[in-house]
Amino acid sequence: GQNIDQPTEMTATEGAIVQINCTYQTSGFNGLFWYQQHAGEAPTFLSYNVLDGLEEKGRFSSFLSRSKGYSYLLLKELQMKDSASYLCAVRDNTGGFKTIFGAGTRLFVKA
Amino acid sequence: DTEVTQTPKHLVMGMTNKKSLKCEQHMGHRAMYWYKQKAKKPPELMFVYSYEKLSINESVPSRFSPECPNSSLLNLHLHALQPEDSALYLCASSQDLLAGGHNEQFFGPGTRLTVL
Repeated sequence: GQNIDQPTEMTATEGAIVQINCTYQTSGFNGLFWYQQHAGEAPTFLSYNVLDGLEEKGRFSSFLSRSKGYSYLLLKELQMKDSASYLCAVRDNTGGFKTIFGAGTRLFVKA
Repeated sequence: DTEVTQTPKHLVMGMTNKKSLKCEQHMGHRAMYWYKQKAKKPPELMFVYSYEKLSINESVPSRFSPECPNSSLLNLHLHALQPEDSALYLCASSQDLLAGGHNEQFFGPGTRLTVL
């Protein structure tokens, strides 16, 4: 089966850096996604990792270690608008290519 | 056009009603998805269509009936729903189901469904 764990909530200060961790267990790993979801809105794609290492995209970076079943999303120069839920999602190729979402981490950015 | 549209935005229905949710995309994507999302929970996969054929049904009750009339449209027909089916229903699309490249999902804004 699949299991995805991430912290429920985090709080950080405007201008700071925050790291949101995700650990996963899956039998047919085929890529890891991070999505951002503001309250009442649809998730939007942030990043994708399928090989080990760091992917950087502006203020957002995502890291993957397949051997450890571990990823993190790094947000730099935090802004108030970054207050949202961050969903770690794993694509699994057993029984069809499904993307399974973690419960999400609610990030609160304070002034 | 990188947009997935969904109608209606809000829907209130009784347990004996029949209604349909609609989803449309014009990105040429060949995989389309229905998710159910309860408050403060992650999206839960319901159905996946690949090249207009049902590829995955996550043991969804038969009161939910998906339909993919063509490559741009995805419907979810609702009949005899229960109050616990009240949720945000999200449609998404991606290039296809295959492993190559990002193949990230683009989500529509969702339909907020209330079953009385």
